[in-house]
Amino acid sequence: QSALTQPPSASGSPGQSVTISCTGTSSDVGGYNYVSWYQQHPGKAPKLMIYEVSKRPSGVPDRFSGSKSGNTASLTVSGLQAEDEADYYCSSYAGSNNLDVVFGGGTKLTVL
Amino acid sequence: EVQLVESGGGLVQPGGSLRLSCAVSGFTSSGYWMYWVRQAPGKGLVWVSRIDTDGSSTNYADSVKGRFTISRDDAKNTLYLQMNSLRADDTAVYYCARGRPGGHFDHWGQGTLVTVSS
Repeated sequence: QSALTQPPSASGSPGQSVTISCTGTSSDVGGYNYVSWYQQHPGKAPKLMIYEVSKRPSGVPDRFSGSKSGNTASLTVSGLQAEDEADYYCSSYAGSNNLDVVFGGGTKLTVL
Repeated sequence: EVQLVESGGGLVQPGGSLRLSCAVSGFTSSGYWMYWVRQAPGKGLVWVSRIDTDGSSTNYADSVKGRFTISRDDAKNTLYLQMNSLRADDTAVYYCARGRPGGHFDHWGQGTLVTVSS
């Protein structure tokens, strides 16, 4: 099963909004409401930002939001801040009989 | 506080073996599916393996199937990954992660680097 497709880069100025897409198939993104998003700063472990398409863990700012339409999920970061500059990865449940989880290739978010 | 701490990484020659450990604290590991995820230098995240709550069910990425074995010792609150027949393309930072229903990972370790090179 191939990785989910994300744009390699995205950017925005402080205060602006940016949306990162994540495209899969009906076997993963489109088949389950189990899309999650992770933020990773250089040299650090990934951090869960969104799970089950649109839910935020405790402590994650509400500037981060998620959605899904068909086989494509999206992460929107509103009110961009300098500390949002990081790599973002989407992932989706893909069924326990095959690949449990499939990740996207990652998107480097730059705050201009 | 939930913590996951990996160890056991290092430099190994092609064809060699390593066993990674992930010591967990702050939660009862037996109640969770546990995962290994790896990240090659400069590359993205890749799911490697999963073990269910009692170890009766495991799953592996095709790239490691038959070479890697995931296991757990809940008495020691420790997750393991036995890696055999290592190849250069296994070079990566290996993270252990706590799984939640639906396959998301709410806590991650800091990672341990495995380098396969002669």
